Amino acid sequence: GNSVTQMEGPVTLSEEAFLTINCTYTATGYPSLFWYVQYPGEGLQLLLKATKADDKGSNKGFEATYRKETTSFHLEKGSVQVSDSAVYFCALSDSDYKLSFGAGTTVTVRA
Amino acid sequence: DAMVIQNPRYQVTQFGKPVTLSCSQTLNHNVMYWYQQKSSQAPKLLFHYYDKDFNNEADTPDNFQSRRPNTSFCFLDIRSPGLGDAAMYLCATSYRRNSNQPQHFGDGTRLSIL
Repeated sequence: GNSVTQMEGPVTLSEEAFLTINCTYTATGYPSLFWYVQYPGEGLQLLLKATKADDKGSNKGFEATYRKETTSFHLEKGSVQVSDSAVYFCALSDSDYKLSFGAGTTVTVRA
Repeated sequence: DAMVIQNPRYQVTQFGKPVTLSCSQTLNHNVMYWYQQKSSQAPKLLFHYYDKDFNNEADTPDNFQSRRPNTSFCFLDIRSPGLGDAAMYLCATSYRRNSNQPQHFGDGTRLSIL
């Protein structure tokens, strides 16, 4: 079956630090990959996506590249802000179109 | 802006008292999903509608039901809430039931059981 494994949190950083959240996946087909972000008390927002190997998704300074050879989709941001404090979910969608989520990584950015 | 709207944001009900959560969308999407999210966990899919076609997940308790009277609205009914049903309930939509279609989420309804 499909599964997503992402870096355990919580992660605490200082403002302007570099952020990486590791995500690896197992899928039977050729999945699409997503990063969603959940701010406190809110629903999930799509942060970025990639639908095929070597695609790079990017949004709001965040980037992730679909690496088929390593079955990974790591999220990176070069300089985080306090407003980036949130829970980040890696997810995949395969031939069954359902989202399989990772456990989520809580990121706290200190001023 | 087009969006997914959930009402109410917070709902309190008594143990065993039926409760209904609502979701509306202005995206004109074909698919509407309901998720349950417990504290510090990933969302768990309960069921979804593809147009009028209802699709239940195998492990969704019978206590949970859903209605979609039209394209814009979808309801989650919990017939006899137990303490274990306290959670955030998220509604999401997608244009089609396709692996590369992102899902668009509402802000959720946080349900408390007294």
